[in-house]
Amino acid sequence: DAEITQSPRHKITETGRQVTLACHQTWNHNNMFWYRQDLGHGLRLIHYSYGVQDTNKGEVSDGYSVSRSNTEDLPLTLESAASSQTSVYFCASSPLGSGTYNEQFFGPGTRLTVL
Amino acid sequence: AQSVTQLGSHVSVSEGALVLLRCNYSSSVPPYLFWYVQYPNQGLQLLLKYTSAATLVKGINGFEAEFKKSETSFHLTKPSAHMSDAAEYFCAVSEGTGNQFYFGTGTSLTVIP
Repeated sequence: DAEITQSPRHKITETGRQVTLACHQTWNHNNMFWYRQDLGHGLRLIHYSYGVQDTNKGEVSDGYSVSRSNTEDLPLTLESAASSQTSVYFCASSPLGSGTYNEQFFGPGTRLTVL
Repeated sequence: AQSVTQLGSHVSVSEGALVLLRCNYSSSVPPYLFWYVQYPNQGLQLLLKYTSAATLVKGINGFEAEFKKSETSFHLTKPSAHMSDAAEYFCAVSEGTGNQFYFGTGTSLTVIP
């Protein structure tokens, strides 16, 4: 069955370290998204991609970067981790070119703690 | 930009009682609206979506939602709550370009035995 996976599921790191969170989907979806979930804020969009070599900034992109070298993967990098980036991170994907009504399929999330 | 407001960050209902979770949206174009459910330590799962085909949308697990343009609302209901409905519920609106979603802040549903 097609799925979307995230790794690691839990990560503890120190302030200033570079961290990369992996997201892999086997749906063959062109659209991929990264969100962070914080109490009182719901889900906020960090970065998104509509295809290979395409990346775009979302609402809360400062301190994060993504790259898209193939259809299946969209890794999220925290260049220099800060305590404010302690959060639960979700990756999602949706099909290409079918309009704005397609649901997004979510991964299980990565809980990141920055000490 | 579009936005979503979910009234009530916490809702408690008795088992067997009506569930009503509120969602209001703002949009300058016809919106596409979604309800997702999140169980503890899991990702989000689609409950239902409105895509202009019908104003009353039925979803999984007995949930449904009604799109009311005049009230800019898309409230989620279930006639009889079950213990397994305890979860976090998110309303989302899809923007007119691309497939960006804007999520509400979520409503935590507690079901009391």
